[in-house]
Amino acid sequence: EIVLTQSPATLSLSPGERATLSCRASQSVSSYLAWYQQKPGQTPRLLIYDASNRATGIPARFSGSGSGTDFTLTISSLEPEDFAVYYCHHRSDWPRTFGQGTKVEI
Amino acid sequence: EMQLLESGGGLVQPGGSLRLSCAASGFTISNFAMYWVRQAPGKGLEWVSAIIPSGAYTFYADSVKGRFTISRDNSNNILFLQMNSLRAEDTALYYCVKGTSSYYFDYWGQGTLVTVSS
Repeated sequence: EIVLTQSPATLSLSPGERATLSCRASQSVSSYLAWYQQKPGQTPRLLIYDASNRATGIPARFSGSGSGTDFTLTISSLEPEDFAVYYCHHRSDWPRTFGQGTKVEI
Repeated sequence: EMQLLESGGGLVQPGGSLRLSCAASGFTISNFAMYWVRQAPGKGLEWVSAIIPSGAYTFYADSVKGRFTISRDNSNNILFLQMNSLRAEDTALYYCVKGTSSYYFDYWGQGTLVTVSS
């Protein structure tokens, strides 16, 4: 199975700052990678799919990049509602897997 | 409006069985890949199982292979997860999830809690 490793585990930032989250795959997943946001008590929300495409209704401050084994989620200027846990996920092969998550905290 | 409503969770002893159900509305489950994803208390997301639109193929995480079975009732638009030989490490909130046309996850149910304990 493909292992996704996210870093850092926790990112402590302030509103208005730029957040850069990393996801590394144990083998190439091409561009078949997505990012999800999960807030406490809520279900995950799809942010980015196929590495760099924003899902419907996702603000432009969220962007994704990368291919192969190294991927990045960037939040250009953090809003108060962006403090949450972010997970990467691949659809390159079966079984699907998630990264362990990065918590973005104030 | 698309909705997913899970049921069937509860407290079960190690080695026991449970059958989770997910009633879908607002879309036809046989037109999309459908998934089960779980989240242990305070932990991250774990993909559990999938069934592709044709229903011809099903897939499982190594941690549940041979113990869990995903299936669906197309006429009633319900997804199932039969869970046998349950272990303490299966304790989690189980989400029913709809796949996008490109096999990502877009709609999530609120989850049903499975607790495996003696």
